[in-house]
Amino acid sequence: KAGVTQTPRYLIKTRGQQVTLSCSPISGHRSVSWYQQTPGQGLQFLFEYFSETQRNKGNFPGRFSGRQFSNSRSEMNVSTLELGDSALYLCASSPRTVSLDSPLHFGNGTRLTVT
Amino acid sequence: SQQGEEDPQALSIQEGENATMNCSYKTSINNLQWYRQNSGRGLVHLILIRSNEREKHSGRLRVTLDTSKKSSSLLITASRAADTASYFCATAKDTGRRALTFGSGTRLQVQP
Repeated sequence: KAGVTQTPRYLIKTRGQQVTLSCSPISGHRSVSWYQQTPGQGLQFLFEYFSETQRNKGNFPGRFSGRQFSNSRSEMNVSTLELGDSALYLCASSPRTVSLDSPLHFGNGTRLTVT
Repeated sequence: SQQGEEDPQALSIQEGENATMNCSYKTSINNLQWYRQNSGRGLVHLILIRSNEREKHSGRLRVTLDTSKKSSSLLITASRAADTASYFCATAKDTGRRALTFGSGTRLQVQP
């Protein structure tokens, strides 16, 4: 079974631009969560989608948004990029929503650098 | 501050030694999970322990959970160079909206 796939692997953007990251979950997994990882703040939860509905959202500004498609693939978008958005963005999938005791299966992330 | 805080932040040991990492958290939880992350990669799930469990084993891993102290420990026995990684605990609350909240991690270096 293929793992969680995130594209692109690396991305360099300029302040003020917007970016879209993609995540393909493990086949059959209906929940997709997104995390931001930085050296200073560690792993911070962005949002979780389950069956195309946002189930939970972290404390991030509205510039961060996401969606999930009917095939469970998910995208997250960051608009008006700031230098502080430079981070490793990790996507994780699970068979069920995180509200149950389902371990997360992570992709290798997208490394976003904002200059 | 984060829900889970690992201690120590960094740990360096020799191959064959045991490594112990601790995690403290603040709120009531449904379960606690441990993950490993190799540099620049995604996290890999190691073990999940439910709030009504006190100890769990998986291969060379042993996890304990003390809900009265809101703490957990991860023991890796007979460590190998390949165990070099960062280790994170993650908690899922037992009420309300649930998302896994990760601690700051312990960087483990196993010297060959």
